[in-house]
Amino acid sequence: DQQVKQNSPSLSVQEGRISILNCDYTNSMFDYFLWYKKYPAEGPTFLISISSIKDKNEDGRFTVFLNKSAKHLSLHIVPSQPGDSAVYFCAAGNNDMRFGAGTRLTVKP
Amino acid sequence: DAGVIQSPRHEVTEMGQEVTLRCKPISGHNSLFWYRQTMMRGLELLIYFNNNVPIDDSGMPEDRFSAKMPNASFSTLKIQPSEPRDSAVYFCASSLNPGQLYEQYFGPGTRLTVT
Repeated sequence: DQQVKQNSPSLSVQEGRISILNCDYTNSMFDYFLWYKKYPAEGPTFLISISSIKDKNEDGRFTVFLNKSAKHLSLHIVPSQPGDSAVYFCAAGNNDMRFGAGTRLTVKP
Repeated sequence: DAGVIQSPRHEVTEMGQEVTLRCKPISGHNSLFWYRQTMMRGLELLIYFNNNVPIDDSGMPEDRFSAKMPNASFSTLKIQPSEPRDSAVYFCASSLNPGQLYEQYFGPGTRLTVT
């Protein structure tokens, strides 16, 4: 039973435009939410996080939004760059994190 | 800082053989996680340890899988006997718990192929 779902396996965006990656979770007790980025043949690397007491966290071109009532979070990348092309995983939990299946983002020049 | 170290990077074995994957977490981290990545299910948490003690192994697929953490700097994930459906990339990650929003540092992964 997947507690964290990323329903879009892939997303293609033009360079300079906004990329929006979505994630849904089922457990309302989750307090922490993270996004990881993964390049081929490498382990995931931490990108940005948010706790349940906030609804937005921004770091440069990356912004994570949390909608607790909808159990939904999203990652916005603006402007998108070709180097952002990777698989993005969302994770949610407390002591241990549950990951979604990932969304492959392709940013076209 | 060497980061999380995993070995081997690639493993090819025949069905029925025992496979042992190894992980060295970042020094000072006290939580360690084993994940499996497949195309169908994405990144699945198999088991995690806190201070060398297994806390949650509900993600371990079946009794063929076992994990140990004999000390703070070493962990193993063993599959015995291995089956073709075990083919996947296995990641080890560590974190400082309590840490800043539970950020985990991942190793490069071990790609396992069981023929």
